[in-house]
Amino acid sequence: GAVVSQHPSWVICKSGTSVKIECRSLDFQATTMFWYRQFPKQSLMLMATSNEGSKATYEQGVEKDKFLINHASLTLSTLTVTSAHPEDSSFYICSARDRVFDNEQFFGPGTRLTVL
Amino acid sequence: QKEVEQNSGPLSVPEGAIASLNCTYSDRGSQSFFWYRQYSGKSPELIMSIYSNGDKEDGRFTAQLNKASQYVSLLIRDSQPSDSATYLCAVNILEYGNKLVFGAGTILRVKS
Repeated sequence: GAVVSQHPSWVICKSGTSVKIECRSLDFQATTMFWYRQFPKQSLMLMATSNEGSKATYEQGVEKDKFLINHASLTLSTLTVTSAHPEDSSFYICSARDRVFDNEQFFGPGTRLTVL
Repeated sequence: QKEVEQNSGPLSVPEGAIASLNCTYSDRGSQSFFWYRQYSGKSPELIMSIYSNGDKEDGRFTAQLNKASQYVSLLIRDSQPSDSATYLCAVNILEYGNKLVFGAGTILRVKS
């Protein structure tokens, strides 16, 4: 149990295009989903917290108009990187908090984004 | 002071030895503590959670919590080369709502 999927696992795009990343909790309902970014050899950086049916809460320094988050259901959240630039190239990881076992947070496999 | 602190390592142990990973946290009110393992290029994987003072064992892993000292540790018995990874300590910090705050991680290398 407690499986979180992400799609796509990797994506290469041209500068200026938008990329959508999906995060799904496969066998549980997630009250809250989180989006992280991780640059090589660095720690996880929380970008935003997403609650089903409400607006995402962004961390300081994260542009909400650039990183659009939609949490349409208890099992799906999406992150759209708009007008991507090479500096947005990173490893994007979502996690989901189990509605029943509220304290435990499970990570998806991550999406590696490369912007040319 | 950082909210969650870990020694970055690398911590090197021989195969079969006990690896001891440590973590301290700043918020005395924290109630939930987690250890994640992250292999290079992969996402973190939850390996242990602990909520009460004392020890919690799961296979070769033992988590230890001491709330008075604001200290949580992870022991890995009979370390294997496949245990080589970065271990992340995560704590629910009350002042940040219900978000997990991660330490920077400790790199563990198990040498055969």
